[in-house]
Amino acid sequence: GDSVTQMEGPVTLSEEAFLTINCTYTATGYPSLFWYVQYPGEGLQLLLKATKADDKGSNKGFEATYRKETTSFHLEKGSVQVSDSAVYFCALILKYNNNDMRFGAGTRLTVKP
Amino acid sequence: KAGVTQTPRYLIKTRGQQVTLSCSPISGHRSVSWYQQTPGQGLQFLFEYFSETQRNKGNFPGRFSGRQFSNSRSEMNVSTLELGDSALYLCASSMRAQVSGANVLTFGAGSRLTVL
Repeated sequence: GDSVTQMEGPVTLSEEAFLTINCTYTATGYPSLFWYVQYPGEGLQLLLKATKADDKGSNKGFEATYRKETTSFHLEKGSVQVSDSAVYFCALILKYNNNDMRFGAGTRLTVKP
Repeated sequence: KAGVTQTPRYLIKTRGQQVTLSCSPISGHRSVSWYQQTPGQGLQFLFEYFSETQRNKGNFPGRFSGRQFSNSRSEMNVSTLELGDSALYLCASSMRAQVSGANVLTFGAGSRLTVL
Protein backbone atom coordinates (compact mmCIF):
# COMPACT_ATOMS: atom_id res chain seq x y z
CA GLY A 1 0.00 0.00 0.00
CA ASP A 2 0.90 3.66 -0.02
CA SER A 3 3.58 4.38 2.55
CA VAL A 4 6.48 6.57 3.59
CA THR A 5 9.86 5.46 4.90
CA GLN A 6 12.08 7.84 6.81
CA MET A 7 15.62 7.46 8.01
CA GLU A 8 15.69 6.32 11.58
CA GLY A 9 16.86 8.66 14.26
CA PRO A 10 17.74 10.09 16.49
CA VAL A 11 19.94 12.53 14.66
CA THR A 12 22.28 14.71 16.71
CA LEU A 13 24.08 17.62 15.10
CA SER A 14 26.10 20.60 16.21
CA GLU A 15 24.78 24.07 15.55
CA GLU A 16 25.44 25.27 11.97
CA ALA A 17 25.88 21.71 10.67
CA PHE A 18 24.20 20.53 7.46
CA LEU A 19 21.05 18.48 7.85
CA THR A 20 19.65 15.75 5.63
CA ILE A 21 16.72 13.57 6.61
CA ASN A 22 15.94 10.94 4.00
CA CYS A 23 12.40 10.16 2.96
CA THR A 24 11.23 7.73 0.30
CA TYR A 25 7.70 6.81 -0.63
CA THR A 26 5.66 4.08 -2.23
CA ALA A 27 2.46 5.12 -3.93
CA THR A 28 0.14 3.77 -6.59
CA GLY A 29 -0.48 7.21 -8.03
CA TYR A 30 1.06 10.67 -7.92
CA PRO A 31 1.00 11.89 -4.34
CA SER A 32 1.43 15.30 -2.83
CA LEU A 33 4.33 15.26 -0.38
CA PHE A 34 4.77 17.07 2.90
CA TRP A 35 7.17 17.61 5.75
CA TYR A 36 5.67 18.31 9.16
CA VAL A 37 7.54 19.22 12.34
CA GLN A 38 6.48 18.47 15.91
CA TYR A 39 7.98 20.39 18.81
CA PRO A 40 7.75 18.94 22.33
CA GLY A 41 4.22 19.00 23.69
CA GLU A 42 2.74 20.34 20.49
CA GLY A 43 0.89 19.13 17.45
CA LEU A 44 2.26 18.92 13.93
CA GLN A 45 3.14 22.04 11.99
CA LEU A 46 3.41 22.06 8.22
CA LEU A 47 6.99 22.82 7.25
CA LEU A 48 6.86 22.53 3.47
CA LYS A 49 5.12 20.73 0.64
CA ALA A 50 5.40 19.74 -3.03
CA THR A 51 2.64 18.62 -5.31
CA LYS A 52 4.36 17.33 -8.46
CA ALA A 53 7.63 15.97 -9.74
CA ASP A 54 10.60 18.35 -9.55
CA ASP A 55 8.73 20.78 -7.31
CA LYS A 56 10.90 22.20 -4.53
CA GLY A 57 9.24 23.07 -1.26
CA SER A 58 11.02 25.51 1.03
CA ASN A 59 10.42 27.25 4.33
CA LYS A 60 12.57 28.65 7.16
CA GLY A 61 15.77 27.53 5.45
CA PHE A 62 14.52 23.97 4.93
CA GLU A 63 14.17 22.54 1.42
CA ALA A 64 12.95 19.33 -0.16
CA THR A 65 12.64 18.36 -3.81
CA TYR A 66 10.03 15.93 -5.14
CA ARG A 67 12.03 13.32 -7.06
CA LYS A 68 9.72 11.02 -8.97
CA GLU A 69 12.54 8.94 -10.47
CA THR A 70 13.86 8.00 -7.02
CA THR A 71 10.50 8.33 -5.21
CA SER A 72 12.16 10.57 -2.65
CA PHE A 73 11.55 13.82 -0.80
CA HIS A 74 14.64 14.36 1.34
CA LEU A 75 14.65 17.26 3.80
CA GLU A 76 17.74 19.49 3.89
CA LYS A 77 18.93 22.55 5.74
CA GLY A 78 22.27 24.18 5.27
CA SER A 79 22.85 25.38 8.82
CA VAL A 80 20.75 24.07 11.71
CA GLN A 81 20.03 25.93 14.90
CA VAL A 82 19.27 24.72 18.40
CA SER A 83 15.68 25.84 17.84
CA ASP A 84 15.35 23.28 15.02
CA SER A 85 15.41 20.48 17.58
CA ALA A 86 12.14 18.61 17.03
CA VAL A 87 10.65 15.52 15.41
CA TYR A 88 10.25 15.68 11.63
CA PHE A 89 7.62 13.70 9.73
CA CYS A 90 7.48 13.03 6.02
CA ALA A 91 3.97 12.41 4.68
CA LEU A 92 2.02 11.79 1.51
CA ILE A 93 -1.57 12.08 0.37
CA LEU A 94 -3.24 10.68 -2.70
CA LYS A 95 -6.39 12.08 -4.25
CA TYR A 96 -8.49 9.04 -3.50
CA ASN A 97 -7.33 8.73 0.12
CA ASN A 98 -9.93 11.15 1.51
CA ASN A 99 -7.58 12.73 4.04
CA ASP A 100 -5.91 9.45 5.04
CA MET A 101 -2.42 10.96 5.07
CA ARG A 102 0.38 8.44 5.38
CA PHE A 103 3.16 9.50 7.71
CA GLY A 104 6.66 8.22 8.18
CA ALA A 105 7.78 7.12 11.63
CA GLY A 106 9.37 10.47 12.36
CA THR A 107 13.00 11.47 12.85
CA ARG A 108 14.05 13.13 16.08
CA LEU A 109 16.62 15.87 15.57
CA THR A 110 18.67 17.30 18.41
CA VAL A 111 20.93 20.26 17.72
CA LYS A 112 23.61 21.00 20.31
CA PRO A 113 25.17 24.44 20.82
CA LYS B 1 -6.94 33.72 13.36
CA ALA B 2 -7.32 31.05 16.00
CA GLY B 3 -5.84 27.65 15.27
CA VAL B 4 -7.29 24.22 15.79
CA THR B 5 -8.35 23.87 19.42
CA GLN B 6 -8.51 20.53 21.15
CA THR B 7 -9.90 19.86 24.60
CA PRO B 8 -9.02 18.49 27.02
CA ARG B 9 -5.25 18.57 26.57
CA TYR B 10 -4.59 15.81 29.08
CA LEU B 11 -6.79 13.19 30.64
CA ILE B 12 -6.46 9.99 32.58
CA LYS B 13 -9.03 7.20 32.42
CA THR B 14 -9.22 3.64 33.60
CA ARG B 15 -9.86 0.54 31.55
CA GLY B 16 -13.47 0.06 30.59
CA GLN B 17 -14.37 3.73 30.78
CA GLN B 18 -15.27 5.84 27.81
CA VAL B 19 -13.88 9.19 26.73
CA THR B 20 -14.98 12.07 24.51
CA LEU B 21 -12.50 14.45 22.91
CA SER B 22 -13.42 17.73 21.31
CA CYS B 23 -11.99 19.62 18.37
CA SER B 24 -12.79 23.12 17.12
CA PRO B 25 -11.40 23.68 13.62
CA ILE B 26 -10.05 26.88 12.20
CA SER B 27 -12.88 29.25 11.36
CA GLY B 28 -14.07 28.53 7.85
CA HIS B 29 -12.62 25.03 7.73
CA ARG B 30 -15.27 22.44 7.05
CA SER B 31 -13.24 19.24 7.11
CA VAL B 32 -11.99 17.66 10.33
CA SER B 33 -9.71 14.64 10.49
CA TRP B 34 -8.56 12.66 13.51
CA TYR B 35 -5.28 10.83 13.96
CA GLN B 36 -3.87 8.64 16.72
CA GLN B 37 -0.18 8.98 17.57
CA THR B 38 1.62 6.30 19.57
CA PRO B 39 5.31 5.47 19.93
CA GLY B 40 4.80 2.01 18.47
CA GLN B 41 2.43 2.65 15.57
CA GLY B 42 3.21 6.27 14.80
CA LEU B 43 0.52 8.42 13.25
CA GLN B 44 -2.56 6.58 12.11
CA PHE B 45 -5.67 7.95 10.46
CA LEU B 46 -8.88 7.47 12.42
CA PHE B 47 -11.60 9.21 10.40
CA GLU B 48 -12.55 12.34 8.54
CA TYR B 49 -15.71 14.41 8.57
CA PHE B 50 -16.99 16.94 6.11
CA SER B 51 -20.35 18.68 6.35
CA GLU B 52 -21.36 16.44 9.26
CA THR B 53 -20.72 13.27 7.23
CA GLN B 54 -18.00 10.73 7.83
CA ARG B 55 -16.26 10.36 4.50
CA ASN B 56 -13.50 7.98 5.41
CA LYS B 57 -12.52 5.76 8.29
CA GLY B 58 -9.22 4.14 9.15
CA ASN B 59 -8.60 0.65 10.38
CA PHE B 60 -9.77 1.00 13.97
CA PRO B 61 -12.37 -1.01 15.89
CA GLY B 62 -15.93 0.19 16.29
CA ARG B 63 -15.12 1.43 19.79
CA PHE B 64 -13.74 4.50 18.07
CA SER B 65 -16.42 6.81 16.76
CA GLY B 66 -16.89 10.43 15.95
CA ARG B 67 -19.26 13.06 14.76
CA GLN B 68 -19.29 16.54 13.39
CA PHE B 69 -21.70 19.31 14.19
CA SER B 70 -23.22 21.93 11.92
CA ASN B 71 -20.63 24.49 13.08
CA SER B 72 -17.87 22.06 11.95
CA ARG B 73 -16.78 21.26 15.50
CA SER B 74 -16.06 17.60 15.95
CA GLU B 75 -15.94 15.08 18.74
CA MET B 76 -14.47 11.64 18.90
CA ASN B 77 -15.46 8.99 21.39
CA VAL B 78 -13.66 5.88 22.53
CA SER B 79 -15.72 3.38 24.48
CA THR B 80 -14.57 0.52 26.68
CA LEU B 81 -11.06 1.88 26.93
CA GLU B 82 -8.10 -0.45 26.74
CA LEU B 83 -4.52 0.15 27.85
CA GLY B 84 -3.46 0.28 24.21
CA ASP B 85 -5.68 3.29 23.61
CA SER B 86 -3.19 5.45 25.49
CA ALA B 87 -2.04 7.92 22.85
CA LEU B 88 -1.93 11.47 21.63
CA TYR B 89 -5.10 12.11 19.63
CA LEU B 90 -4.61 14.79 17.03
CA CYS B 91 -7.31 16.68 15.24
CA ALA B 92 -6.62 18.46 11.97
CA SER B 93 -8.79 20.71 9.87
CA SER B 94 -8.75 21.82 6.27
CA MET B 95 -10.84 24.25 4.31
CA ARG B 96 -12.16 21.82 1.78
CA ALA B 97 -12.86 18.13 1.66
CA GLN B 98 -9.80 16.67 -0.06
CA VAL B 99 -6.34 17.31 1.32
CA SER B 100 -3.84 18.34 -1.33
CA GLY B 101 -0.96 20.71 -1.78
CA ALA B 102 -3.49 23.51 -2.05
CA ASN B 103 -5.69 22.36 0.83
CA VAL B 104 -3.38 21.33 3.65
CA LEU B 105 -4.11 19.91 7.07
CA THR B 106 -3.60 22.17 10.09
CA PHE B 107 -3.18 20.23 13.31
CA GLY B 108 -4.16 21.01 16.85
CA ALA B 109 -1.90 20.42 19.86
CA GLY B 110 -3.61 17.13 20.65
CA SER B 111 -5.33 15.46 23.56
CA ARG B 112 -3.06 13.12 25.47
CA LEU B 113 -5.03 10.19 26.83
CA THR B 114 -3.60 7.87 29.45
CA VAL B 115 -5.49 4.68 30.23
CA LEU B 116 -4.64 3.00 33.54
